[in-house]
Parts: sequence; C-alpha cells; structure tokens
Amino acid sequence: NAGVTQTPKFRILKIGQSMTLQCTQDMNHNYMYWYRQDPGMGLKLIYYSVGAGITDKGEVPNGYNVSRSTTEDFPLRLELAAPSQTSVYFCASRRASSYEQYFGPGTRLTVT
Amino acid sequence: AQTVTQSQPEMSVQEAETVTLSCTYDTSESNYYLFWYKQPPSRQMILVIRQEAYKQQNATENRFSVNFQKAAKSFSLKISDSQLGDTAMYFCAFLATVNNAGNMLTFGGGTRLMVKP
Repeated sequence: NAGVTQTPKFRILKIGQSMTLQCTQDMNHNYMYWYRQDPGMGLKLIYYSVGAGITDKGEVPNGYNVSRSTTEDFPLRLELAAPSQTSVYFCASRRASSYEQYFGPGTRLTVT
Repeated sequence: AQTVTQSQPEMSVQEAETVTLSCTYDTSESNYYLFWYKQPPSRQMILVIRQEAYKQQNATENRFSVNFQKAAKSFSLKISDSQLGDTAMYFCAFLATVNNAGNMLTFGGGTRLMVKP
C-alpha cells in the first residue's frame, strides 16, 4: 500500500514550457486534491475532484488544468509555465466517509 | 470564507519541555473540523491531531493535545515532552463540512518549531 505518490520530486522549467505533474493513489479514495505551497506559506487549493470524470476549481486555478479519467490518477497540467508558478505542489486524497486527507510527498517546481 | 491565523511564525523549546502553538480562525459555519499538520524538513504533510467542532472534549494523541475554545475560535496545540523529531513546520487547518464544495482545507501560515537539545 503506497498511499499517495507523486512524480517527479523535482523539476525545473523554462518560462513558457508545459508539464504534467502526476498523482496516483491506491486507497480507492473518491476525493482528490491539488494544493500549492509557496515559500513560508500554508497550502492553497488549486483543483479538486470528487470522483472519476468530475473536477472543479479551488482557490487558485489560473494557469492549471486537471483531468480525472480513473479513480486512481489525478494529473495536474501546467500550460505556459510562469515564474509565479514556482512552488511546491501537493496531491492529497480522502475517502468519502472521512474528512482526513492523505498527502503525497510533494513536487518542487522551479520556473526560470 | 474562512480564515486561519497562526500568530507565531517561529518558536523554540528545549527538549523534554512543553510548548503551545496558537491558532485562531474566523468562520460563520457551525459544523467544521480543525486539524494540526506537521511538515518536517522532508516536506511530507503528516496529520498530528483533529478536532470535531461538535465535540466539547479536547482531542489528545499521545504527547499532543489541543485546547479548543469554540466561542473564542481558538485551537491551540500543546506538545508535551518535546523531542528532537518534533522539529518541523506546524500548520493549523480548517474544514467546513457544510457549504464547502469538495470539503477543501483552509490552512494557516504555519509556525516553525525548533526543539533544542
């Protein structure tokens, strides 16, 4: 049981490049989340999903897209990377019957 | 909208002593949960303790306990017998169970705790 896994762990992008951050959970959780954590700050919600095929925006969705084709996977797409997207990105999941979220190890992204 | 405030950016404590981290929140909701998460240098977010707003009894988990004052909208974390492994960022988080699509967490800005030998 690996929990929530994220790849890659680190990535450096040039301005204008695109990339996909991968998130997979093996706990059969319905709910999945993407957060970003800027230096010295708490986490802010980018997007969330309540089940396969259903996604919705969080607090800071601009510049990102998501999809949820399976229960296990919830990739986050960055189009036209900007320096403001330099951050640590966390994926989380939870089952419908509990409010406790389980977090992945995070991806540190630098855009230069 | 909810806000969570942690007024202590940094704290330190001697090993084996007790330390209390403060958290206040603002909400008009009556049904909610509060959490404390620990983030060590490894970056992993680890749930330390949670409190349901409808429960009057303060939650405890081994050396960790909370002082939940609902009327004052205060939710402090007490760490007893501090250990070097407690060195981390600590985040207070709020979750409304109603009027909160997706049940998103709202985080405070964090308190950096250093345990000194």
